[in-house]
Amino acid sequence: AQSVTQPDARVTVSEGASLQLRCKYSYSATPYLFWYVQYPRQGLQMLLKYYSGDPVVQGVNGFEAEFSKSDSSFHLRKASVHWSDSAVYFCAVRNNYAQGLTFGLGTRVSVFP
Amino acid sequence: DPKIIQKPKYLVAVTGSEKILICEQYLGHNAMYWYRQSAKKPLEFMFSYSYQKLMDNQTASSRFQPQSSKKNHLDLQITALKPDDSATYFCASSQDWGATAEQFFGPGTRLTVL
Repeated sequence: AQSVTQPDARVTVSEGASLQLRCKYSYSATPYLFWYVQYPRQGLQMLLKYYSGDPVVQGVNGFEAEFSKSDSSFHLRKASVHWSDSAVYFCAVRNNYAQGLTFGLGTRVSVFP
Repeated sequence: DPKIIQKPKYLVAVTGSEKILICEQYLGHNAMYWYRQSAKKPLEFMFSYSYQKLMDNQTASSRFQPQSSKKNHLDLQITALKPDDSATYFCASSQDWGATAEQFFGPGTRLTVL
């Protein structure tokens, strides 16, 4: 069975600083990987996805993520955060056989001025 | 305008009762899903439908029954409610059924069972 681990439950960062959110997955084959963001009182929105090719993928709002097969990781990064980036970020994985996404517990990001 | 509507936003029910959670999507998608987010647990996939047919069921309990009256509707009926059913239930949809299809999520229905 596949699984996703997000080791950091909460991250606090100053506005303008860089951000990295960690994600490790467990799956025997190459998975389909996603990052979603949930703003307060809203549904989840996809930031980016990785299927194959260049291991660094660009997403919306300046986010990017890097896939590492050797490390089984898919970390999310942003060079300079804004207060509006305060939200909960979820890493998710999906394979060819399962219809549903498998999510991590999420990382709550708080951006302070 | 919201593209995926979930009703109601909040729901309080008593143990043993039955409730229906409503989901409608206006994205023209062919596949729809239900997920559940309980306290301290990750979002958990429950069901997937494609063209109104059940494709995958990861919910062990038969108390949870999806209902699709139209292609853009996927309601969730929960019977014999238990306090452990308290969670936020998210509906999602995607253009098609493939593994690479982006899933779009609704705002959720927060269910509390007393």
